[in-house]
Amino acid sequence: GIQVEQSPPDLILQEGANSTLRCNFSDSVNNLQWFHQNPWGQLINLFYIPSGTKQNGRLSATTVATERYSLLYISSSQTTDSGVYFCAAKTGANNLFFGTGTRLTVIP
Amino acid sequence: ETGVTQSPTHLIKTRGQQVTLRCSSQSGHNTVSWYQQALGQGPQFIFQYYREEENGRGNFPPRFSGLQFPNYSSELNVNALELDDSALYLCASSLSGRATDTQYFGPGTRLTVL
Repeated sequence: GIQVEQSPPDLILQEGANSTLRCNFSDSVNNLQWFHQNPWGQLINLFYIPSGTKQNGRLSATTVATERYSLLYISSSQTTDSGVYFCAAKTGANNLFFGTGTRLTVIP
Repeated sequence: ETGVTQSPTHLIKTRGQQVTLRCSSQSGHNTVSWYQQALGQGPQFIFQYYREEENGRGNFPPRFSGLQFPNYSSELNVNALELDDSALYLCASSLSGRATDTQYFGPGTRLTVL
C-alpha cells in the first residue's frame, strides 16, 4: 500500500501562532483527507483534498498531487486546536492509509 | 442527518474471549470500513463492507470477521482475543464503495484485553 509520512511528529505552539503540518505520500492518490483527533479519540474531518487548495476558517490545506505532498495550515492557533492531526490517502484501494500523525499542543 | 455511531464506548475483556462491536452508518451511506488504532499509532484498515459484502481486507487474521446488515449497519467480531488486540476500534461510513468517497468516522470503541 501507499506510504504516508507526516512531519513534524510533535509541535508546541503559543496561542495565536501559525503552523504548517506536512504530509508526504509515496504514490499518486485519488483521495486524501486531513483529520483532527480529539482527546476522546473522535476523528473529525477537516478536508477532503486530493488536489488543490481549500480553506475553512482558520484552517487551510493545499495538496500538490504531482509532487506527492499536502500541507495543512493553522492560523491564529487556539488551545482547542490541540490534538493529533492525521493525513490519510488512498490510491485506487478502498481503504485509507494513515500517517503516524502530528501531535499539536497549543499553550495559552 | 445522523452521524456514525458506535457501541459500546468502552469494553474490557480477558484473553481468549470473543467480542462484538457495532456501528451504525451515516444516513444514506451504504459502505462501512473498520480500522484498529493502537496507542500512539495511526488507524490501520481491517476491512470494508459494501452492500453487505466484504469489499477489501487489510492485514488482519481471520479471527477478525464482520457483517453488514440490510440497513447498512455493521458488526466487527474478534475471536480468541489477544493482549495486542487492545486498541481503539473505529468505524467509518461513506456514500458508496468508490475510492474517491469521503469517509466519516464514528467516536470509536476502546477495547482493553487483560
